[in-house]
Amino acid sequence: GDSVTQMEGPVTLSEEACLTINCTYTATGYPSLFWYVQYPGEGLQLLLKATKADDKGSNKGFEATYRKETTSFHLEKGSVQVSDSAVYFCALIPANQAGTALIFGKGTTLSVSS
Amino acid sequence: DGGITQSPKYLFRKEGQNVTLSCEQNLNHDAMYWYRQDPGQGLRLIYYSQIVNDFQKGDIAEGYSVSREKKESFPLTVTSAQKNPTAFYLCASNGDRGRPDTQYFGPGTRLTVL
Repeated sequence: GDSVTQMEGPVTLSEEACLTINCTYTATGYPSLFWYVQYPGEGLQLLLKATKADDKGSNKGFEATYRKETTSFHLEKGSVQVSDSAVYFCALIPANQAGTALIFGKGTTLSVSS
Repeated sequence: DGGITQSPKYLFRKEGQNVTLSCEQNLNHDAMYWYRQDPGQGLRLIYYSQIVNDFQKGDIAEGYSVSREKKESFPLTVTSAQKNPTAFYLCASNGDRGRPDTQYFGPGTRLTVL
């Protein structure tokens, strides 16, 4: 079945460092791809998404590009802030199944220090 | 404000007791979901409902039950048959016209079995 694999954390960075969190997926066709963020003690918030190959999702300085050839959707940010400390989840919805449940990776914890 | 509410935020249960977690949404979404989150495990689907009076088992439905009598409500009951119920439970919904694949999450309920 479809699945998502993301790099294990924790990732520890200093403020203003560059961030990359790797995410690869296994799925047939063209799934929709997502990054969600979870701040301590809270639910998940949608960070960005992409629904077709070569699409770039972006939000709050974060970016991710849908790469069909490498089945990847890596999350990047050029300069992280302390407020970016959270758990980041890569997820997908299988192709042609809008309205079904998300399939999540295990999450990557990011800790940014000043 | 539109959104998803979950209550209570923290819940304690003695072994052998059933307990019900509340999830309410005023987004007029048709689909609702329950996920379980354990440390290092990501989110796993318990149950989902795509329309009132209908619901489907997810990947880890054993020991749980749900109902969907109203569009805005999707309560989850954790029964005594669930062997390891201590976890963080997240409810979600989707159904925005034009963004059918975007899920919105509630703030979560942390259940602890004493």
